[in-house]
Amino acid sequence: QQPVQSPQAVILREGEDAVINCSSSKALYSVHWYRQKHGEAPVFLMILLKGGEQKGHEKISASFNEKKQQSSLYLTASQLSYSGTYFCGTENSGNTPLVFGKGTRLSVIA
Amino acid sequence: KAGVTQTPRYLIKTRGQQVTLSCSPISGHRSVSWYQQTPGQGLQFLFEYFSETQRNKGNFPGRFSGRQFSNSRSEMNVSTLELGDSALYLCASSSSRGNYGYTFGSGTRLTVV
Repeated sequence: QQPVQSPQAVILREGEDAVINCSSSKALYSVHWYRQKHGEAPVFLMILLKGGEQKGHEKISASFNEKKQQSSLYLTASQLSYSGTYFCGTENSGNTPLVFGKGTRLSVIA
Repeated sequence: KAGVTQTPRYLIKTRGQQVTLSCSPISGHRSVSWYQQTPGQGLQFLFEYFSETQRNKGNFPGRFSGRQFSNSRSEMNVSTLELGDSALYLCASSSSRGNYGYTFGSGTRLTVV
């Protein structure tokens, strides 16, 4: 079951904040977040596990609401290097595949 | 350490032909997953292998097949190519499920003409 991401695209100025949401119609075991720059492979950002805590570092963090089957990625004080397409991937159990949403295109401009 | 290696990087094939793509995971990683990426559909799951066993399969026709070898290297095969098979095929490896992320290769860009 493919998770749904929102928004589909967002444009930010440097220093602004953004939130990207990921929701599933099924119970979630884990949520992954990846960033893909144009012409490159997706790069792993973080994983949130059922029962786990919010993760991240100072400027990029994520939360996982198990009851609502949702996760959100928070980007604060955005930098030009944050530009790219962000994908969330979800696993419904320890034995199901990692399925990705369609992505959110983030553009940071000066 | 070396990353995930996919070969070839680019392929041009004719409709009706078949193609084999290769993926060498990070040393020590036993899980390999394959994804098809197209502009409209994002990353679509194809297969997942672990210790030479197919653990999961996505919703793709039987023309798409794969396998994993004892050294964890994986191949996927697409037979009777169609124009719609044109895509970037990405392979990702992981040391174990659930606690770690996946490392992706740079992909194989397949164009079917």
